[in-house]
Amino acid sequence: AQSVTQLDSHVSVSEGTPVLLRCNYSSSYSPSLFWYVQHPNKGLQLLLKYTSAATLVKGINGFEAEFKKSETSFHLTKPSAHMSDAAEYFCVVTGGNTGFQKLVFGTGTRLLVSP
Amino acid sequence: EAGVAQSPRYKIIEKRQSVAFWCNPISGHATLYWYQQILGQGPKLLIQFQNNGVVDDSQLPKDRFSAERLKGVDSTLKIQPAKLEDSAVYLCASSLDPGANTGELFFGEGSRLTVL
Repeated sequence: AQSVTQLDSHVSVSEGTPVLLRCNYSSSYSPSLFWYVQHPNKGLQLLLKYTSAATLVKGINGFEAEFKKSETSFHLTKPSAHMSDAAEYFCVVTGGNTGFQKLVFGTGTRLLVSP
Repeated sequence: EAGVAQSPRYKIIEKRQSVAFWCNPISGHATLYWYQQILGQGPKLLIQFQNNGVVDDSQLPKDRFSAERLKGVDSTLKIQPAKLEDSAVYLCASSLDPGANTGELFFGEGSRLTVL
């Protein structure tokens, strides 16, 4: 079975400083990993995805994540936070040996950005 | 391109009452998902449809929850009777990829249910 652990429920940064949101995964198979973002009263949106190609993945709005198999991690980073980045971020894993695969979401990390 | 449409956005009911949520996926998306998101938790898959067939409903509480997608397009999720613990946001999503291998699901804004 697959699972993800988001290590921080809340992260607070100042505008212009780096962002680090941490995620560790567990999977019996080669996983596919994703980050989704949820702005208040909005639907979830895919930020980026890792599907066994390049281990450093770039997404929208300047975010990127690095897949580290040895550490079973998939942390999300951004060099400089913007006020509009304030949202809930979910790390997601899928993987398995069947045709229909289920996305398993982490519990989320709320990013707070102060001026 | 129109996104995933859900209604109603908000619903307040008393326990033991019934409620229904409607979802219209993005045109051409064969796969439709219903997720339950309880406050402070990540979304949990309730049911996944491929066209009008059920692919996975292993986490759907079938004694009180039901869902259908009769013509392979829009879908309805029903709860009857509702319990206090059903208070959550119900998210509908759709995708082109039936196996969710790409992970690219398109979500609606959700239907927030409060059970009193």
